[in-house]
Amino acid sequence: AQSVTQPDIHITVSEGASLELRCNYSYGATPYLFWYVQSPGQGLQLLLKYFSGDTLVQGIKGFEAEFKRSQSSFNLRKPSVHWSDAAEYFCAVAGGSQGNLIFGKGTKLSVKP
Amino acid sequence: DTEVTQTPKHLVMGMTNKKSLKCEQHMGHRAMYWYKQKAKKPPELMFVYSYEKLSINESVPSRFSPECPNSSLLNLHLHALQPEDSALYLCASRQGGANEQFFGPGTRLTVL
Repeated sequence: AQSVTQPDIHITVSEGASLELRCNYSYGATPYLFWYVQSPGQGLQLLLKYFSGDTLVQGIKGFEAEFKRSQSSFNLRKPSVHWSDAAEYFCAVAGGSQGNLIFGKGTKLSVKP
Repeated sequence: DTEVTQTPKHLVMGMTNKKSLKCEQHMGHRAMYWYKQKAKKPPELMFVYSYEKLSINESVPSRFSPECPNSSLLNLHLHALQPEDSALYLCASRQGGANEQFFGPGTRLTVL
């Protein structure tokens, strides 16, 4: 069965520090992978996506993610976190004929001044 | 225009009321989705419309009734809801094929 695991429920980093959010997926074929960000009470905004090709993908707001097939991972990284990055982050894989998203449980990011 | 809009932003209703949520996109996307999201949880898929036809219903209670009047518009009709139905309702659309879903800002629903 398809699934996404985000092992970290809550992460706190200092402003200016680097960030890595972990995501592991289980999917039979080549996955379509996404990272979305959600501020409180808001909709989801797409940060980046991986469909094929270069395994290091660049996204908006200075985020990047690396697809590692051997580890079934798609970790999100940012070299220097800003206070405005505090939000909930969801990793997702697209499955099924309708492109349904299977979400991880999310990682809440807090940023210390 | 790369936006999905949802109205209203907030809705408070009693258990005997009938109300509707509206979602609109003008990106020419052929698939549209309704999700329900409870606090501190990921979105849960409710319905999928593909080319204006309901293609997936994730065993949603009949008090939720979706409607897709045209390719740009998606409604969710609500009737006889329960307090546990209080949540953020998100709409999304997708062009099809290998493409991402675009989400609207959501409607915060409170059932009293």
